[in-house]
Amino acid sequence: GAGVSQSPSNKVTEKGKDVELRCDPISGHTALYWYRQSLGQGLEFLIYFQGNSAPDKSGLPSDRFSAERTGGSVSTLTIQRTQQEDSAVYLCASSLDNEQFFGPGTRLTVL
Amino acid sequence: GDSVTQMEGPVTLSEEAFLTINCTYTATGYPSLFWYVQYPGEGLQLLLKATKADDKGSNKGFEATYRKETTSFHLEKGSVQVSDSAVYFCAQGGSEKLVFGKGTKLTVNP
Repeated sequence: GAGVSQSPSNKVTEKGKDVELRCDPISGHTALYWYRQSLGQGLEFLIYFQGNSAPDKSGLPSDRFSAERTGGSVSTLTIQRTQQEDSAVYLCASSLDNEQFFGPGTRLTVL
Repeated sequence: GDSVTQMEGPVTLSEEAFLTINCTYTATGYPSLFWYVQYPGEGLQLLLKATKADDKGSNKGFEATYRKETTSFHLEKGSVQVSDSAVYFCAQGGSEKLVFGKGTKLTVNP
């Protein structure tokens, strides 16, 4: 079956612009996660959605970052007023139990 | 807070050598433990997992045992292949989020 998909695969933007990253989880998975992978920080948790519960936003690094999950499926991670330190690979994962399946990621480059 | 510490790389081995990548964790409860692998140019894939103390996870010749007494989950393989060259991440967590180690890059030479 289809895995987790993310779009775009690559995004280059200018400092100060807003970006939206999309994640399509595996059908039927109730949980969705966003992580960030960067050279300096490794893999960091950003945000977690579970069903209709309020999301766990404890990993978001600043108020410039936000995420939505519409209809319990697709999720969008939005970064406002991007900074160069936001450059990283943004990974989405979904799960039905405690095993997370990862998408291929979106590589974000902020010039 | 919860954390994972794994041995820093890079690790370079010859084909058929024995591999150990050390991983220890700190946690307030009893998390599940995971090893993920990232092959060059590919996404993160689950390699193996263990959900409770003394469980052994295994896959593709790799093994790791959940040791509560030493809070460890070391990854081992008896005979590595060139195709095992990748970055390996140890992680802890459950249904809520994963906490990852910084990754260990393994290169296996023929």
